[in-house]
Amino acid sequence: GAGVSQSPSNKVTEKGKDVELRCDPISGHTALYWYRQRLGQGLEFLIYFQGNSAPDKSGLPSDRFSAERTGESVSTLTIQRTQQEDSAVYLCASSNFPGQGLGETQYFGPGTRLLVL
Amino acid sequence: DQQVKQNSPSLSVQEGRISILNCDYTNSMFDYFLWYKKYPAEGPTFLISISSIKDKNEDGRFTVFLNKSAKHLSLHIVPSQPGDSAVYFCALGGTSYGKLTFGQGTILTVHP
Repeated sequence: GAGVSQSPSNKVTEKGKDVELRCDPISGHTALYWYRQRLGQGLEFLIYFQGNSAPDKSGLPSDRFSAERTGESVSTLTIQRTQQEDSAVYLCASSNFPGQGLGETQYFGPGTRLLVL
Repeated sequence: DQQVKQNSPSLSVQEGRISILNCDYTNSMFDYFLWYKKYPAEGPTFLISISSIKDKNEDGRFTVFLNKSAKHLSLHIVPSQPGDSAVYFCALGGTSYGKLTFGQGTILTVHP
């Protein structure tokens, strides 16, 4: 596709339930990233994929959070046993990193707004 | 430990005037610097970038300045337009980094 897409756009769930968030990156982009933005805060890095591997998952806040990527394309972020503090906008981005070695621009999807009641 | 700081949470300017957004960082390993614009209920949109080998990059009304010795990045918008009203994030990365590290954002309001 022309840009990064994410689904669902909004998700309301009850505390304790599991949720899955999906990201479709720009075709051909080898790198895929998940970020989180809580209300009134900046973007917080969660995990980075290069191909189907995750060389940096240092931002995952707890073992309730996991992510996978298949076919060097679609990625799914799963949050198990959701808590109210998980409420945030979850943003996915993709890029050609490491590209030419000069740094690569990340392109973001519209995000999934998660509300845990 | 905030590696990237945008010390002004908000900025208000008159249409036609210059908007200057600032960003300070602490880690000298960053070598690629970006600005993103974000409208409510949308994802961040890439605006302009600069690598550490340059100190200025210009694209239309937008100019990014990099002062490596001061570890300071700024975005100039001139002339400012009401449609520029949004949240602006600086983001830092580089050849050794997959992820970007973002500032907290500055809300820019351009008044007609």
